[in-house]
Amino acid sequence: DTGVSQNPRHKITKRGQNVTFRCDPISEHNRLYWYRQTLGQGPEFLTYFQNEAQLEKSRLLSDRFSAERPKGSFSTLEIQRTEQGDSAMYLCASTQFGTLIRSSSYNEQFFGPGTRLTVL
Amino acid sequence: AQTVTQSQPEMSVQEAETVTLSCTYDTSESDYYLFWYKQPPSRQMILVIRQEAYKQQNATENRFSVNFQKAAKSFSLKISDSQLGDAAMYFCAYNSPQGGSEKLVFGKGTKLTVNP
Repeated sequence: DTGVSQNPRHKITKRGQNVTFRCDPISEHNRLYWYRQTLGQGPEFLTYFQNEAQLEKSRLLSDRFSAERPKGSFSTLEIQRTEQGDSAMYLCASTQFGTLIRSSSYNEQFFGPGTRLTVL
Repeated sequence: AQTVTQSQPEMSVQEAETVTLSCTYDTSESDYYLFWYKQPPSRQMILVIRQEAYKQQNATENRFSVNFQKAAKSFSLKISDSQLGDAAMYFCAYNSPQGGSEKLVFGKGTKLTVNP
């Protein structure tokens, strides 16, 4: 396993178009997180899945955003009717949740390289 | 709500010298973790070091160590013998098992420049 992967790495789109990003987590990880990072800021939580269930959504996730994780494997994040304010780096992270023993890697989130979205 | 504050937008250090990055946080939870993540230019974020709040001993990972002051809610990162490859954005982050999601809350980051 080579870690968390995200595609595409870069996406340029025109305002009003729909875009979809994909995240492939580390295979044995049951939790998957989406974060958004704007220029000069730290990543901000958007939503997360445990297996195929979406358990929490941030208020940052407007109704134009939707995320899925069918079968608890890869996840997609779709933005409809993109706006210039959506321009950001979208990061995906995964972790194995639920281990009884707090090992040295307990709850460590492993990040993908991100998808950089530019809305013109 | 939990917050993480990094008051140094940029720092610089000479190669082989030591630098300390500052971080403060605010939380009312008793069980939590603190992290320092490194984000090199155009590369993915990687974990540098983590600290469990219930542990009094400061975490160390090779040249990286933390100064965890729980009462002051302070969590600084010390990089010893700085190397050119240490140049990156460094983010301080927090999460807690008590919240359910264990989502990470990040500071705004500190850009570290290492001068040869």
